[in-house]
Amino acid sequence: EVQLVQSGAEVKKPGESLKISCKGSGYSFTSYWIGWVRQMPGKGLEWMGIIYPGDSDTRYSPSFQGQVTISADKSISTAYLQWSSLKASDTAMYYCARLRQQLVTFDLWGRGTLVTVSS
Amino acid sequence: SSELTQDPAVSVALGQTVRITCQGDSLRSYYASWYQQKPGQAPVLVIYGKNNRPSGIPDRFSGSSSGNTASLTITGAQAEDEADYYCNSRDSSGHVVFGGGTKLTVL
Repeated sequence: EVQLVQSGAEVKKPGESLKISCKGSGYSFTSYWIGWVRQMPGKGLEWMGIIYPGDSDTRYSPSFQGQVTISADKSISTAYLQWSSLKASDTAMYYCARLRQQLVTFDLWGRGTLVTVSS
Repeated sequence: SSELTQDPAVSVALGQTVRITCQGDSLRSYYASWYQQKPGQAPVLVIYGKNNRPSGIPDRFSGSSSGNTASLTITGAQAEDEADYYCNSRDSSGHVVFGGGTKLTVL
């Protein structure tokens, strides 16, 4: 089955670090870009950045550049999104999704990872 | 703010046709994709490219584009179509961008 499986929900305190994951299966993980999308409570979708696991080429939304790090380990078909110092405003659902780059289409989505940052 | 503009809310009577629009200058050069998101669920792709539906998406969903406006049309809306709908494409810098979303209510 073609799918993206995301890591489980996290509860963290402000200032803590975090790395969440997205594992692809059922397709050639290194042949498609993977994107990360944020959805804050009750709000819309925001594109954070994309990575090409084949060569780790990474692009960030200007809104998220410097705020998060996107990486991938192609040997285990997994992409990551990490924070070095979380803020309460990072509380959100984070989705990974497979991107068909030329069409700018996210055709496969993970179920999301809920990150809650609270003191 | 998003470079793709959507109406925040649209309503349609059961069985009628509804058009959800997405406006942006980049749509003169790039196609929009459309996603359906129901409460508590991940988004699902419903239309991409010129007017393509992924496997499993009912044919009552269709897409079109004219000038700087892309449209998602649901012909014969069903109760299960009540959801948030998002468009996405590229912005003026070539980055991915999403519209603000449209909440569709089926009356």
